[in-house]
Amino acid sequence: DAGVTQSPTHLIKTRGQQVTLRCSPKSGHDTVSWYQQALGQGPQFIFQYYEEEERQRGNFPDRFSGHQFPNYSSELNVNALLLGDSALYLCASSSYRGRTGELFFGEGSRLTVL
Amino acid sequence: AQSVTQLGSHVSVSEGALVLLRCNYSSSVPPYLFWYVQYPNQGLQLLLKYTSAATLVKGINGFEAEFKKSETSFHLTKPSAHMSDAAEYFCAVRILSNFGNEKLTFGTGTRLTIIP
Repeated sequence: DAGVTQSPTHLIKTRGQQVTLRCSPKSGHDTVSWYQQALGQGPQFIFQYYEEEERQRGNFPDRFSGHQFPNYSSELNVNALLLGDSALYLCASSSYRGRTGELFFGEGSRLTVL
Repeated sequence: AQSVTQLGSHVSVSEGALVLLRCNYSSSVPPYLFWYVQYPNQGLQLLLKYTSAATLVKGINGFEAEFKKSETSFHLTKPSAHMSDAAEYFCAVRILSNFGNEKLTFGTGTRLTIIP
């Protein structure tokens, strides 16, 4: 049973560029959440997708956007990159009907902005 | 608002010694609490969770945590540290939304170092 998979694992961008990160949830899961983990800090909630709609959003600017596809996979897009966007981006999946609070995390995409 | 506070950003213990990582929570409703571990260059792995059943929760790798409402605490312990326990540990609390699906709010993490 494949867990949560994310791609790419590492990438380097320059300020002002745009980036797209991808996530495939654990089999049987229908909800995808994205978290940003800056160096030395805990993960911060960006947003959550269910039934192809953004359901919740954290305190992140509109430069951060996302999408969920019919197969439950998801993308995170960040426009006009800033140096402060350098972080590990974690995707987590869960089951809406399960609602135990348990999230399954991928290994993350490490973004470096130069 | 619900939140967690982890006391001590760095903890060092000798191999074979007791591990104690501290987490205090703030919540206006009965909380669901979690401990996650993160090894270098990896994602987060669930160690254990408290969901209002037994107050003493046992997890993987010999870790356990005790929910103490009177102290608003959920400290993580392991009787005997192993070198493989060196990692970053995060305490988290579940936040319910109107949507009905939850998100987690994490603490700032505690880096555990094991001394040979």
